[in-house]
Amino acid sequence: SQQGEEDPQALSIQEGENATMNCSYKTSINNLQWYRQNSGRGLVHLILIRSNEREKHSGRLRVTLDTSKKSSSLLITASRAADTASYFCATVFNQAGTALIFGKGTTLSVSS
Amino acid sequence: EAGVVQSPRYKIIEKKQPVAFWCNPISGHNTLYWYLQNLGQGPELLIRYENEEAVDDSQLPKDRFSAERLKGVDSTLKIQPAELGDSAVYLCASSPSLAGGQETQYFGPGTRLLVL
Repeated sequence: SQQGEEDPQALSIQEGENATMNCSYKTSINNLQWYRQNSGRGLVHLILIRSNEREKHSGRLRVTLDTSKKSSSLLITASRAADTASYFCATVFNQAGTALIFGKGTTLSVSS
Repeated sequence: EAGVVQSPRYKIIEKKQPVAFWCNPISGHNTLYWYLQNLGQGPELLIRYENEEAVDDSQLPKDRFSAERLKGVDSTLKIQPAELGDSAVYLCASSPSLAGGQETQYFGPGTRLLVL
């Protein structure tokens, strides 16, 4: 079963707008990661946030983590057509040696 | 630096036939993963290797799936016999850390399998 659940399942915006995707998970985690997948391609790591961190930035990406609510959000600012992709959150449990557990993803479409 | 290499990129076979996928991880990465990704879903782990040892294969359907990483470098995933439900994308990933899943994973482009 998949640990993370992204919301919304699909999101359509115009270039220049911000895109926000949310992820909820079920059990305590060690860290949470966001990945992007372009159509027909492999996944690309975007950002990792550890359980003791609350916010992290990387370029146009901003990730927040609320461990009390077991949720995370990914904000993409000033979106571009090239941001069109599926975005997945993936969690690592506290137990040692556990691999990533992915959600079903949010499909983002950015039109010019 | 070369990324994770997978071959073939696409494979079409008839049901009950065998099929094999190959993965070469990033040089120096000790941990290797095989994931299954169904359409519209996130990847699901099949097996994880630390060097040549399979340390997590609990999700691998062992009646028809097998994997090996004999020299702790490249790996092969096999299905025999294939079933219609095996149609999916098979992703390989690697990471440098022995603490599986604690660090970033680097994914290959995947092999898209279609079973007819």
